[in-house]
Amino acid sequence: DQQVKQNSPSLSVQEGRISILNCDYTNSMFDYFLWYKKYPAEGPTFLISISSIKDKNEDGRFTVFLNKSAKHLSLHIVPSQPGDSAVYFCAASVQGAQKLVFGQGTRLTINP
Amino acid sequence: EADIYQTPRYLVIGTGKKITLECSQTMGHDKMYWYQQDPGMELHLIHYSYGVNSTEKGDLSSESTVSRIRTEHFPLTLESARPSHTSQYLCASSESGRIFSPLHFGNGTRLTVT
Repeated sequence: DQQVKQNSPSLSVQEGRISILNCDYTNSMFDYFLWYKKYPAEGPTFLISISSIKDKNEDGRFTVFLNKSAKHLSLHIVPSQPGDSAVYFCAASVQGAQKLVFGQGTRLTINP
Repeated sequence: EADIYQTPRYLVIGTGKKITLECSQTMGHDKMYWYQQDPGMELHLIHYSYGVNSTEKGDLSSESTVSRIRTEHFPLTLESARPSHTSQYLCASSESGRIFSPLHFGNGTRLTVT
């Protein structure tokens, strides 16, 4: 039973355009959500997070949107840059548990 | 930047061997985690620790064991490696005392059991 799902295994975007990565979850107890970025042969790197009391959080080129009623979150990257090419993982947690549940990842490729 | 180190980075070993994957962090974090990831799949939590002498099994059943004798060190051991243990193993740590603290990951150990 996969509680966090990223239904797009890959996404290709032109440099300078907006990249939108999507994530759905099933557990209504999740109240904290994170996005991680992973390059080959490296560990995941924390990008941005959002608490369930918010519906948007922004950090530079990265914005995460949370739609609790739809149990859906998305990561927007604008403008997209070649260095953004990586695998992006969505993760969720119940705050008290301090354990993350991850999606399968989406491979983002930014084309020049 | 997170200082969490995993060794070895790559390991190829024969069936039946005992192996220990090392993980150390210099950030003084109380909480440490082991995740397992197969290519193209999600990360699965296999072990975690909230402090010295505290270890718990994660959501994914694993034949590995862990120990936490020192705050900075969280090794994972497989007593008898099998081909089904072939995977990437990622160690992580996080701060205590905050509502939620993002996990900082090491670069992983890619294990191949032949």
